[in-house]
Amino acid sequence: AQSVSQHNHHVILSEAASLELGCNYSYGGTVNLFWYVQYPGQHLQLLLKYFSGDPLVKGIKGFEAEFIKSKFSFNLRKPSVQWSDTAEYFCAVNRGSYIPTFGRGTSLIVHP
Amino acid sequence: EAQVTQNPRYLITVTGKKLTVTCSQNMNHEYMSWYRQDPGLGLRQIYYSMNVEVTDKGDVPEGYKVSRKEKRNFPLILESPSPNQTSLYFCASSNLATDTQYFGPGTRLTVL
Repeated sequence: AQSVSQHNHHVILSEAASLELGCNYSYGGTVNLFWYVQYPGQHLQLLLKYFSGDPLVKGIKGFEAEFIKSKFSFNLRKPSVQWSDTAEYFCAVNRGSYIPTFGRGTSLIVHP
Repeated sequence: EAQVTQNPRYLITVTGKKLTVTCSQNMNHEYMSWYRQDPGLGLRQIYYSMNVEVTDKGDVPEGYKVSRKEKRNFPLILESPSPNQTSLYFCASSNLATDTQYFGPGTRLTVL
């Protein structure tokens, strides 16, 4: 069965620190990859996605993610986090079956 | 405004009392789905629908029913709720071409 692993369950950073959240998946075929963000008390919204093309994807609010096919990874990065980035981050993988698999989420807390 | 709406947003009920959580989208999306979100488990798909009258089980369908009589609506039905169905529920919809999901605001359900 396809699985999505997010290695960091809780991350605590100070403002201006750099961020990298790991995401690995187990399926070897063609996949669509997503990162969603859930701000406190809000619903999930799309941060960025990769379908094909340039493996370095830029999303909203300065986030980016790199698809490394050989490592089955899609890590999320941001060079300098802000307090407003405090949220839960979910990696999701869809291999065209319209049954996306979500990771367990990473809770990010950014101290001002 | 493009959106997914859910009602109710909060619900406290008792074991065995049938309930329905409604979901509606105004984007003419073919695909709709229901998820439950539990601490440490991330999002797990309950049911999904590819179009009107086409529904299928996700990862955790036990204890739930759905229907898709109209394209815009996808209600979630709990015929006999149990305490283990206490959770945060999200409805989502997407255009099959873009594969990007739009989430509703969530319904927090407590079953006593």
